[in-house]
Formats: sequence, C-alpha cells, structure tokens
Amino acid sequence: GENVEQHPSTLSVQEGDSAVIKCTYSDSASNYFPWYKQELGKRPQLIIDIRSNVGEKKDQRIAVTLNKTAKHFSLHITETQPEDSAVYFCAASRSGNTPLVFGKGTRLSVIA
Amino acid sequence: EAQVTQNPRYLITVTGKKLTVTCSQNMNHEYMSWYRQDPGLGLRQIYYSMNVEVTDKGDVPEGYKVSRKEKRNFPLILESPSPNQTSLYFCASSVRLARNTGELFFGEGSRLTVL
Repeated sequence: GENVEQHPSTLSVQEGDSAVIKCTYSDSASNYFPWYKQELGKRPQLIIDIRSNVGEKKDQRIAVTLNKTAKHFSLHITETQPEDSAVYFCAASRSGNTPLVFGKGTRLSVIA
Repeated sequence: EAQVTQNPRYLITVTGKKLTVTCSQNMNHEYMSWYRQDPGLGLRQIYYSMNVEVTDKGDVPEGYKVSRKEKRNFPLILESPSPNQTSLYFCASSVRLARNTGELFFGEGSRLTVL
C-alpha cells in the first residue's frame, strides 16, 4: 500500500520568510495530493491540492509542486504570517476507491 | 450549513466500558472515515466506508468496530476500551473518491480518555 513520508516534523521561520514542507510517496499510481492545515485545537482543513496531470499549483501565498518521477511533492508558503502557524499534513491517494494516506505532519511556527 | 458532527466531543471513561462515538454528515457524502490522532503519529485511519453497508479496515482497526446502516451516519464503537485507545478521534466524509474530488470534511474531533 501507499506510504507517505513528511519532513521536517517541526519548522520554525521568521515572519515574512518562506517555509517549505516536503513529502515523498511510494505508490507510483497515486495521482491526488492534498495538503491539510490544522490549527491548534481545530479540525484539519484542506488548503490546496494537486493532481498528477499538473506540476505546480498556486493559491495566493501557498503553492504546491509535484515531481512524479521522483515521487515527491512540496508545500511552499511565502511571506509567512503568524496565522500560518499550524500543523500541516500532506496526503496521497489513487483515484478510485482508495482512501487518502496521510504523512505524520509538520508543526510550523512563525515567529513574529 | 454543511457539516460533520461528532458526539461526544470529550469523554473520560474506564477500561472495559463500551462506548460509541457518533458521526453524522448532512452533505450526502458516500465516503466516511474515522481517524485517530496521536502526537508524532499524525492521522491514522481506523475504518472507512465507501457507501452504505460497505466498510473496510484502515491502518489501525484493532479494538474498534463501525457500521454504516444509513448514508449520513458512521458510528465508531469501542466494545472494550483500553488505555491505549486514549486519543483524539476525527470523523471525516467526502463525495465518493472515484469522482476524483477528494476533499475530506472533518468533524470537530472527539477527545477520548480511557482510565
């Protein structure tokens, strides 16, 4: 089955700097890669996702890149703000009736 | 309002006392799933259901049961809870994954402590 590795487990950045979180996956048939953000005491919520037919997707200050050959994808947050502080989870799945497999999460702290 | 509702939100119980955590969604989603979240281990899937009367084991199903008799409800049953089941539990739902939309909508979580 699918295995998703996520790094780093914790990340501290200064406000205004960029943050990058990386994930690798094992199943070459996986084609859907979402990122979820979980603020302290809250539920995880989808912030961005990418499918295997594109290499990059942007939404304001966040972007996700996908390298299918190397089987890794990354979340990029630019101009970080204190409200970006949260735990971020990557995930991967195939299309069809296979559930998402999550990475173990990255705790991002943005220091003002 | 579209939502996934879990109850109870907080529960302290004792070893061996059967309990049920309810989950209900009002979005007509086919897919529902239960996760447990533990420090350093991320979100681990317990059970999932692709549709009514269809359930499958996730990565950590031991000690849990589920049922999917109605589309909107997906209760999680702990027949004989043990301290290692102390955790934060999330229910989630989405439209059927085969349609390639994929977004999971999570409930607010249920924090369970087993003494």
